[in-house]
Amino acid sequence: KAGVTQTPRYLIKTRGQQVTLSCSPISGHRSVSWYQQTPGQGLQFLFEYFSETQRNKGNFPGRFSGRQFSNSRSEMNVSTLELGDSALYLCASSLVAYSTGELFFGEGSRLTVL
Amino acid sequence: DQQVKQNSPSLSVQEGRISILNCDYTNSMFDYFLWYKKYPAEGPTFLISISSIKDKNEDGRFTVFLNKSAKHLSLHIVPSQPGDSAVYFCAASGAGTYKYIFGTGTRLKVLA
Repeated sequence: KAGVTQTPRYLIKTRGQQVTLSCSPISGHRSVSWYQQTPGQGLQFLFEYFSETQRNKGNFPGRFSGRQFSNSRSEMNVSTLELGDSALYLCASSLVAYSTGELFFGEGSRLTVL
Repeated sequence: DQQVKQNSPSLSVQEGRISILNCDYTNSMFDYFLWYKKYPAEGPTFLISISSIKDKNEDGRFTVFLNKSAKHLSLHIVPSQPGDSAVYFCAASGAGTYKYIFGTGTRLKVLA
């Protein structure tokens, strides 16, 4: 069974640009969550989607957005990149509809903003 | 507002001894807790979970204890092995929130 796949794995952007990250969940999983990991901050929750609907959003500015497609694949977009957006962005999928199940994480997309 | 706190950024333990990783939370609505392990350049992997209706859950060398009155949980690893060296995150969720709140992580180093 394929795991959670995130693309691209590494990318470098400059300030002001935008970036789109992609996540393919485990087959059959309908919930997809996104997290930002930075040193000292742990994993910060960005948003969660279930059946193409955003059910919850973390405390991030509107430059961070996401969506989920009918096949459960998800994308997140960051516009007008800032240096502080440099981080590892992790996607996780879950089988169950509510947050009492295991999250399965991808390997992440490492974004560097210069 | 850090609702889930791991106050020890790092921990070193001798191989074969017990590792105890701690986690505190502030939101009394949290009712499900998980521990994840993360190696460099890999995504976090699930270790063990516990529901608020229990105070202990065991899986092999890993045991999680939950003290609801103190809003505290801990992960015990016995015996510790060098392969356990990683960053450990605790996470919490509450019914209907559809999200997990993670702590900042504790880097465990098991010395051979």
